Amino acid sequence: IVLTQSPGTLSLSPGERATLSCRASQSVSSSYLAWYQQKFGQAPRLLIYGASSRATGIPDRFSGSGSGTDFTLIISRLEPEDFAVYYCQQYGSSPPTWTFGLGTKVEIK
Amino acid sequence: EVQLLESGGGLVQPGGSLILSCAGSGFTFTSYAMSWVRQAPGKGLEWVSAISSSGGSPYYAESVKGRFIISRDNSRNTLYLQMNSLGAEDTAVYYCAKDVSNYDFWSGYYLGSFDYWGQGTLVTVSS
Repeated sequence: IVLTQSPGTLSLSPGERATLSCRASQSVSSSYLAWYQQKFGQAPRLLIYGASSRATGIPDRFSGSGSGTDFTLIISRLEPEDFAVYYCQQYGSSPPTWTFGLGTKVEIK
Repeated sequence: EVQLLESGGGLVQPGGSLILSCAGSGFTFTSYAMSWVRQAPGKGLEWVSAISSSGGSPYYAESVKGRFIISRDNSRNTLYLQMNSLGAEDTAVYYCAKDVSNYDFWSGYYLGSFDYWGQGTLVTVSS
């Protein structure tokens, strides 16, 4: 399964809403779709698992939704610390494989 | 506090070998499947290998199958990645990552995502 993230880069101002898309080449179980945030020089951080469940400690301005082949990560009001690269990731069970999208960079406009 | 600490990275010549380690603490290591994920310089994330909580079920990305071996020593709370026949395409930061749920791959409750990551260890393959 190939995950296509769009846009490649999103230029927004603090306080604005960010909408990130992740499209799968085949249907993905919602249980197996996750979103990560990665800042420069840091390890990725899990934001959303199971398509819509926030990981521990993740602010509620981050929300995930979607099903089938189309998934979305929304950051309702961008904070300065939210400017980073975001990856979607899916798990396929037969055989077990994990796939990441190429990422969306959210940059300050 | 969950911690994952990788070690073993460095400069290796093409065709060489290297063993990475990842020491886990702050959680019940024996209950969680673990993975290695790498990131080439300036590139995205690529899953490399995963292993079940008991160590009995390893899985590999096609790009490393037959060259890399994942293992774990649950008595030492440590995950390993033995890397052989290294090429320039293997140059990357290698992260170990812990599964978000304490179910293994074949469970209906498995979630397939990673909630804790190490800081990464850089592997550079160059002559």
